[in-house]
Amino acid sequence: GNSVTQMEGPVTLSEEAFLTINCTYTATGYPSLFWYVQYPGEGLQLLLKATKADDKGSNKGFEATYRKETTSFHLEKGSVQVSDSAVYFCALGGGSNYKLTFGKGTLLTVNP
Amino acid sequence: DSGVTQTPKHLITATGQRVTLRCSPRSGDLSVYWYQQSLDQGLQFLIQYYNGEERAKGNILERFSAQQFPDLHSELNLSSLELGDSALYFCASSVQAGPGEQYFGPGTRLTVT
Repeated sequence: GNSVTQMEGPVTLSEEAFLTINCTYTATGYPSLFWYVQYPGEGLQLLLKATKADDKGSNKGFEATYRKETTSFHLEKGSVQVSDSAVYFCALGGGSNYKLTFGKGTLLTVNP
Repeated sequence: DSGVTQTPKHLITATGQRVTLRCSPRSGDLSVYWYQQSLDQGLQFLIQYYNGEERAKGNILERFSAQQFPDLHSELNLSSLELGDSALYFCASSVQAGPGEQYFGPGTRLTVT
């Protein structure tokens, strides 16, 4: 079945630091890949997506590239802000039942 | 604001009881998904409905059931509640039946005492 593995947190960075959160997946076929963000006390929000190999999703300074050869979709941001503090989930969509399969989430804390 | 609404926001109830969680999808979305989020299990897919019909089932217990009504809102029914059912329950919606982005509601926090 489909599965997503993302780096264990928590991740603590200083403001303006570079962020990478690793995500790898296992899937049959050609899934779509997503990053969702959950701010404290809120639901998940779609951050970015990529639907085919070599696609780059980007939003709010975050980027992730769909790498089929390494089955990865790592999230990056060049300069994080305090307001980026949240839990980040990598997710995979595809397969016969159309559900999203989520990683366990990575808590990011950015200090001023 | 994702456009997905869920009620109630918080629910506290006792073991053995039954509760109903409600979700209204974004305007135009035909698919509704239910997820359970807990500290130990993470985010788990429970069930999906598309245009009134059950489309996919995940890790949903037999004590739980759901339905989607003609106006496309959905309800998740949890019965014979146990302490371990305490969790955040999210509803998400999407326009299509197939894999694609989903828009999440703010969640219902269920506490079983």
